[in-house]
Amino acid sequence: DIQMTQSPSSLSASVGDRVTITCRASQSITTYLSWYQQKPGKAPDLLIYAASSLQSGVPSRFSGSGSGTDFTLTISSVQPEDFATYYCQQTYSTPFTFGPGTKLEIK
Amino acid sequence: QGHLVESGGGVAQPGQSLRLSCAASGFTFDIYAMHWVRQAPGKGLEWAAVVSHDGTNINYAESVKGRFIISRDNSKNTLYLEMNSLRLDDTAIYYCARSMAGIYDAFEIWGQGTMVTVSS
Repeated sequence: DIQMTQSPSSLSASVGDRVTITCRASQSITTYLSWYQQKPGKAPDLLIYAASSLQSGVPSRFSGSGSGTDFTLTISSVQPEDFATYYCQQTYSTPFTFGPGTKLEIK
Repeated sequence: QGHLVESGGGVAQPGQSLRLSCAASGFTFDIYAMHWVRQAPGKGLEWAAVVSHDGTNINYAESVKGRFIISRDNSKNTLYLEMNSLRLDDTAIYYCARSMAGIYDAFEIWGQGTMVTVSS
């Protein structure tokens, strides 16, 4: 199975800050990497697919990059509605594993 | 855009069975792969199972293999998860999710989830 790790596990940021979350796969997954945002009590929402493609309707302050084993999600200027938990996921091979999540909190 | 609504969750004892349903609307159901993903209370996301658009290709996580059965009825626009031999650690919110296209694509649409509690 492909293991996914994320760092940091949590971070505090102020509105307007630039935030970067890192995701690492235990083996190459080319660009079969997605990012999801989940708010408390809600289902996850797709933000980024194929490592760097912005899902329709997602604000352009979100961006993704990387290939192979190392990936990043960047929020260029954090907004109040961005405080949530973020998960990466690989769909290169089953089981389609998620990272453990990164909780973005208000400083 | 599309909409997914799960149902069938509830409380079951260890060893019992439950059947979850996921009703799809607003898109052409039979051209998309579909998944079940679960989330234990206070924990992260765990992928459970996938079925291809036509039902011919199915895969499971090891944690549910041999106990859970994923299926779909394209004539009813509905996805199912038959959960047998339930264990305490199956307690979770169960989400159905629609792929962007095939099995290896991102999960584009999610339902609101249905809670399954396994307790003696």
